Amino acid sequence: QLQLQESGPGLVKPSETLSLTCTVSRGSISSSSYYWGWIRQPPGKGLEWIGSIYYSGSTYYNPSLKSRVTISVDTSKNQFSLNLSSVTAADTAVYYCARQDNWFDPWGQGTLVTVSS
Amino acid sequence: SYELTQPPSVSVSPGQTARITCSADALPKQFAYWYQQRPGQAPVLVIYKDSERPSGIPERFSGSSSGTTVTLTISGVQAEDEADYYCQSADSSGTYVVFGGGTKLTVL
Repeated sequence: QLQLQESGPGLVKPSETLSLTCTVSRGSISSSSYYWGWIRQPPGKGLEWIGSIYYSGSTYYNPSLKSRVTISVDTSKNQFSLNLSSVTAADTAVYYCARQDNWFDPWGQGTLVTVSS
Repeated sequence: SYELTQPPSVSVSPGQTARITCSADALPKQFAYWYQQRPGQAPVLVIYKDSERPSGIPERFSGSSSGTTVTLTISGVQAEDEADYYCQSADSSGTYVVFGGGTKLTVL
């Protein structure tokens, strides 16, 4: 069964760039049927879609975050990554990666990223 | 910006039927999807394409659509169903992903 695992620093300073990687196992990120997405959830709040990428590198982003987001893919490592620049405390959240076929399934377990000096 | 509207909370007694709604203008044209999120856990897909149930999801979970509203119905609610539920769809152009604000289901 396909599994996804997020990894990256749990603490990022304000104005710096948040960088996370999602490693896909028990399946190929190069499947032609799926996109791969990032979603976040601030503590005690709801889900927010950040953006998604196809294995070819085609991306689309949430318009509200587009100016600060870059998502990339490394098919040789079966990974995709998120960069979010110029972070503030409002970017503190649990960040999830997930396989996307219009809907998201399965999801990674999530990783908490705190923005603080 | 495009929004999906859910009630903040729904409460039911065990064995009763819970209905959670999600409303938006584009829902007649776009499919809706539902996720269950238990505390401290990642969301789990429970309904896709308005009314399809993934394998492994109990039959008591069902989905329906009528006009600008989609509904997640949980029949014979059990204590383990207490969780937050989120709907997800796309904007009217079908380009961008949108989540509803979430509904906390409390089993009394």
